[in-house]
Amino acid sequence: AQSVTQPDIHITVSEGASLELRCNYSYGATPYLFWYVQSPGQGLQLLLKYFSGDTLVQGIKGFEAEFKRSQSSFNLRKPSVHWSDAAEYFCAVLDQGGSEKLVFGKGTKLTVNP
Amino acid sequence: DARVTQTPRDKVTEMGQEVTMRCQPILGHNTVFWYRQTMMQGLELLAYFRNRAPLDDSGMPKDRFSAEMPDATLATLKIQPSEPRDSAVYFCASGLGGQTYNEQFFGPGTRLTVL
Repeated sequence: AQSVTQPDIHITVSEGASLELRCNYSYGATPYLFWYVQSPGQGLQLLLKYFSGDTLVQGIKGFEAEFKRSQSSFNLRKPSVHWSDAAEYFCAVLDQGGSEKLVFGKGTKLTVNP
Repeated sequence: DARVTQTPRDKVTEMGQEVTMRCQPILGHNTVFWYRQTMMQGLELLAYFRNRAPLDDSGMPKDRFSAEMPDATLATLKIQPSEPRDSAVYFCASGLGGQTYNEQFFGPGTRLTVL
């Protein structure tokens, strides 16, 4: 079965600093990968997704992610973090065993210091 | 703008009571998902529907949980009887399924506390 690992439970960065959130997946074939953001008290919002093609994917709010098959990774990056980026971030992989089930990582909570 | 709505937003109940959570998917979406979020397990898919028919409910405890779609504009998740371990945030999401993949749009969630 597919699985997603987000090694960092909590990350703190200063406003204006760069950000990288790590995500590793376990899946035999080419995965469909996603990053979602959850602000406090809110549902999840899709930041970006990767299905195929260019391994560097651009998303909303200035985020990007790079798919690296050799490392089974799909890390999320942002060159300059804003205070409004403080939230919890979830990486997910689509179960391609015939269902549309999303398998989520445990999430990384981002704190942004002024 | 179109969004998924869920009611109630918060629910506190006592063990043994029945709990019903409601979800209104985005108009025109034919697929509805129910997820549960806990600190220990993270986000887990409980069940999902396509055109009001259940496609997968393997993640749902069958003895106490039930999910239905009485019509295309309403999905319900019921717990009877509720237990403290059911305390979690329950999310509904909707999308246009039946293709390679379509984005799932999440509601704000129902925070359930069972005392």
